[in-house]
Amino acid sequence: QKEVEQDPGPLSVPEGAIVSLNCTYSNSAFQYFMWYRQYSRKGPELLMYTYSSGNKEDGRFTAQVDKSSKYISLFIRDSQPSDSATYLCAMSDEAGTALIFGKGTTLSVSS
Amino acid sequence: GAGVSQSPRYKVAKRGQDVALRCDPISGHVSLFWYQQALGQGPEFLTYFQNEAQLDKSGLPSDRFFAERPEGSVSTLKIQRTQQEDSAVYLCASSLVEGIHEQYFGPGTRLTVT
Repeated sequence: QKEVEQDPGPLSVPEGAIVSLNCTYSNSAFQYFMWYRQYSRKGPELLMYTYSSGNKEDGRFTAQVDKSSKYISLFIRDSQPSDSATYLCAMSDEAGTALIFGKGTTLSVSS
Repeated sequence: GAGVSQSPRYKVAKRGQDVALRCDPISGHVSLFWYQQALGQGPEFLTYFQNEAQLDKSGLPSDRFFAERPEGSVSTLKIQRTQQEDSAVYLCASSLVEGIHEQYFGPGTRLTVT
């Protein structure tokens, strides 16, 4: 079992839909949680950064961390075709020097 | 151009050749990371620098891989005697402070070993 599990999809939704992306993890020491968006042939772009538990909102994006369940989520409201990309979750513990990434979920938003 | 830049963007090498991949981090960023991303996978950690010091190289897959950051800014990842399994995208990321915080990635170098 990998430390971070993420369903690769693909996930296809119509424009305007609410999208839910999720990751589970096994290491209870993880404290830093991030979501990256990666367009084809580009580097990952940081979307959300959360330390420990709780929710964080930024525009159409909401990140949630449930440490008791070892489960993190990214919600995208009013999805747009420009949101079509691969979404990567990443996490690390306090002492870590490396981010541990999920495989990424490929999202397609159709107009 | 305030982002992380990498060169070359694409590199084709014959098996057995040596390659050098360059990373220019965001100016003033203390931490620099190298990751390897295989097709359809998430990035996997290779090595970490805090300024010029290489503090973690636990992810380097073999002694053919070597990284340096001699003046605490630009970094080079060198792969000696390339093998087909080295084909991947090599990503560089930098962070303003030491340790794990927001990491900002470059566009990557796509290495193909034939």
